Amino acid sequence: DQQVKQNSPSLSVQEGRISILNCDYTNSMFDYFLWYKKYPAEGPTFLISISSIKDKNEDGRFTVFLNKSAKHLSLHIVPSQPGDSAVYFCAASARGSNYKLTFGKGTLLTVNP
Amino acid sequence: DSGVTQTPKHLITATGQRVTLRCSPRSGDLSVYWYQQSLDQGLQFLIQYYNGEERAKGNILERFSAQQFPDLHSELNLSSLELGDSALYFCASSVGGAPNNEQFFGPGTRLTVL
Repeated sequence: DQQVKQNSPSLSVQEGRISILNCDYTNSMFDYFLWYKKYPAEGPTFLISISSIKDKNEDGRFTVFLNKSAKHLSLHIVPSQPGDSAVYFCAASARGSNYKLTFGKGTLLTVNP
Repeated sequence: DSGVTQTPKHLITATGQRVTLRCSPRSGDLSVYWYQQSLDQGLQFLIQYYNGEERAKGNILERFSAQQFPDLHSELNLSSLELGDSALYFCASSVGGAPNNEQFFGPGTRLTVL
């Protein structure tokens, strides 16, 4: 049972435009959400996170939005740059599960020059 | 460079064999996590150690075991290997054990079971 779902395996956008990556979750106990970025032949790198007490968190070009009622979060990248091309993983954790992270399958973002 | 090192980078072995993957966390990090990434799968959490003690367990098979040593490095032991164990195995570390302790990932060990 996939508790964290990234339904789009891939996304292609033009440089300078907005990239929107989506993530849905089913476990209502999740209270902390993270986005990781992964380049080929490297491990994932932490990008941005959000606690369930917030609905938005911003860090430079990256903004994460959380809609708890819809059990949905999204990552916005504005403006997108070719160096943003990578696989993006959504992850979630729940206080009662000793904070282990549950990851989605990832979305491959390609930013075209 | 995340500061987390994993050895070896690649491992090719046969079914039924046993292998050991090694992870050295970032300096000062007390928590170590192991993840498996199979083809078409996201990162599956296997197990977490905090300061030498097992903290959380995920989808780890009984044929797999791990430990964290006093110097905080960790080893993941995979035995009676099957074809389906072929995957990327990542180690991550963090300062503490809570979710807002950002996890830093190593480059991974690619295991191929033939």
